[in-house]
Amino acid sequence: DAKTTQPPSMDCAEGRAANLPCNHSTISGNEYVYWYRQIHSQGPQYIIHGLKNNETNEMASLIITEDRKSSTLILPHATLRDTAVYYCIVRVVNDYKLSFGAGTTVTVRA
Amino acid sequence: EPEVTQTPSHQVTQMGQEVILRCVPISNHLYFYWYRQILGQKVEFLVSFYNNEISEKSEIFDDQFSVERPDGSNFTLKIRSTKLEDSAMYFCASSGSSGRVTQYFGPGTRLTVL
Repeated sequence: DAKTTQPPSMDCAEGRAANLPCNHSTISGNEYVYWYRQIHSQGPQYIIHGLKNNETNEMASLIITEDRKSSTLILPHATLRDTAVYYCIVRVVNDYKLSFGAGTTVTVRA
Repeated sequence: EPEVTQTPSHQVTQMGQEVILRCVPISNHLYFYWYRQILGQKVEFLVSFYNNEISEKSEIFDDQFSVERPDGSNFTLKIRSTKLEDSAMYFCASSGSSGRVTQYFGPGTRLTVL
């Protein structure tokens, strides 16, 4: 019951912006978009989340389209340490669990 | 910065043995979770725990699994009789509340069942 669609992999040059797309065409009004990443086999790391407005924090920016059917995670200046699997997750307000898909494997190259 | 910790980092056990995986959630958090990730597969939700009871569990979380908050700081996952297919990374997470509030994950315990 995949709620999101992400490309399986993408490469990015070190120092450049990485733009990670996510489609969530069936998102409902009470679902947030969350982004996590997992570096190697470490625990998932929270990056950012949003409902409908664009969001920015020290790690990344989240751009959500006006119809909320897709979003883009932007890593402004990718470094080698940003190489990871990135997960886009939609989650109902007050739902307990996070449902992880396969994510996008991002490889940052020097 | 507060973080979720887990012990041990790696646990090796024989099939049929009981194991207890331990987690120390972030101190002021109220909701606690366990997830697992079999090698090469997705991260899967197991259970959430609030106010000393299970608030939600997945179909993976059958009778061989149990969770407990034995004191004010620890949160444990017990597997009563381990099977080969229980070999996985087990991640603990915590959040200040449910819903849109962020879950923070620990580094995981790698469980190997021989």
